[in-house]
Amino acid sequence: AQSVTQLDSHVSVSEGTPVLLRCNYSSSYSPSLFWYVQHPNKGLQLLLKYTSAATLVKGINGFEAEFKKSETSFHLTKPSAHMSDAAEYFCVVRASGGSYIPTFGRGTSLIVHP
Amino acid sequence: DSGVTQTPKHLITATGQRVTLRCSPRSGDLSVYWYQQSLDQGLQFLIQYYNGEERAKGNILERFSAQQFPDLHSELNLSSLELGDSALYFCASSVVAASPDTQYFGPGTRLTVL
Repeated sequence: AQSVTQLDSHVSVSEGTPVLLRCNYSSSYSPSLFWYVQHPNKGLQLLLKYTSAATLVKGINGFEAEFKKSETSFHLTKPSAHMSDAAEYFCVVRASGGSYIPTFGRGTSLIVHP
Repeated sequence: DSGVTQTPKHLITATGQRVTLRCSPRSGDLSVYWYQQSLDQGLQFLIQYYNGEERAKGNILERFSAQQFPDLHSELNLSSLELGDSALYFCASSVVAASPDTQYFGPGTRLTVL
């Protein structure tokens, strides 16, 4: 069994300040973890993924995430928010053990103030 | 642009009707996934096909069915529609079936049932 919890439904930041979107997971198998972004009325775009290589993963648009097995977390960060980062962000877990069916978190809405 | 196309973009229909949503995967991708996104349920995995065969089933209702054709495009059929079926339906594709490879999402079809 696997599950994902995104700890905040909304995160509000000012432009130029750091971003932290929190994600905790549970999985019976070694997980692969993903962050996707969804802009309004658009499909989901992959930001980054962790698949048991380096625990610090760098993605597109300056985002990165760190896999912490002891904390079962995969938080998404960015040093400086841009107005264009305003969107919905989804944390996703896929685990081995027969299939890689993904489980999505409920999403975190990132609001960026000028 | 992810390379995954979905038609139609919008669909408005009445309760009790049947609709078909179409998805063309990225060139070279053999696996197709269908998802439903609604406000109350979030993003839910429905079904996966790989090279024409059903690979995995998620939270798909019996009124819903899907298939993948020899040219690898896929169709999701929704019948006896209810108001609660109103949602965004996404298709995603990936190269293989059972690995944590990246899924590429289409722009979605917004279904409104009146």
